[in-house]
Amino acid sequence: DTAVSQTPKYLVTQMGNDKSIKCEQNLGHDTMYWYKQDSKKFLKIMFSYNNKELIINETVPNRFSPKSPDKAHLNLHINSLELGDSAVYFCASSLRMTGELFFGEGSRLTVL
Amino acid sequence: TQLLEQSPQFLSIQEGENLTVYCNSSSVFSSLQWYRQEPGEGPVLLVTVVTGGEVKKLKRLTFQFGDARKDSSLHITAAQPGDTGLYLCAGVGGKLIFGQGTELSVKP
Repeated sequence: DTAVSQTPKYLVTQMGNDKSIKCEQNLGHDTMYWYKQDSKKFLKIMFSYNNKELIINETVPNRFSPKSPDKAHLNLHINSLELGDSAVYFCASSLRMTGELFFGEGSRLTVL
Repeated sequence: TQLLEQSPQFLSIQEGENLTVYCNSSSVFSSLQWYRQEPGEGPVLLVTVVTGGEVKKLKRLTFQFGDARKDSSLHITAAQPGDTGLYLCAGVGGKLIFGQGTELSVKP
């Protein structure tokens, strides 16, 4: 049973399109995150939710909109995709805000 | 803004060699985590160091937290090809701050 699962694993799309990535965790954690890993492998936090409430919203364009229907799910919707959005997006969860992070396998987004 | 400088960024060595990865900051962290990420996977936690001066060992990996809790190091003894991967340090302040990562390649 995968602890943190995200879909799809690969996404190839054209500029201007809208896409979503879904994430689910079965660890019973209260906190979930979206991270972006660029081509230089730098891992940058985008959003953090605690019990469905937005806690961290880093400087991310408002084309990115997270949604947490319940504390086990955190989805990421991206509008009007741009070339610079190409990256690997990781979902993660933790028991508490600064605890060990459990990551999904990542979703590689390529914008053409 | 809290920043974590990780060095070196890239390291390519032969099997059997020793290596050290450094993670430095001007900020004090309450604890520091080390993760390893393999290609196509998400990072996985190796260890958390909490107390200044703390040393933790995980088989051939030795982790140290600086006395002032501003820096940390990861030392690998007799590296093996299975150690290949991206090593990330992450400092715990109000939130988790990641270093830029060290890509390690161990050749047989």
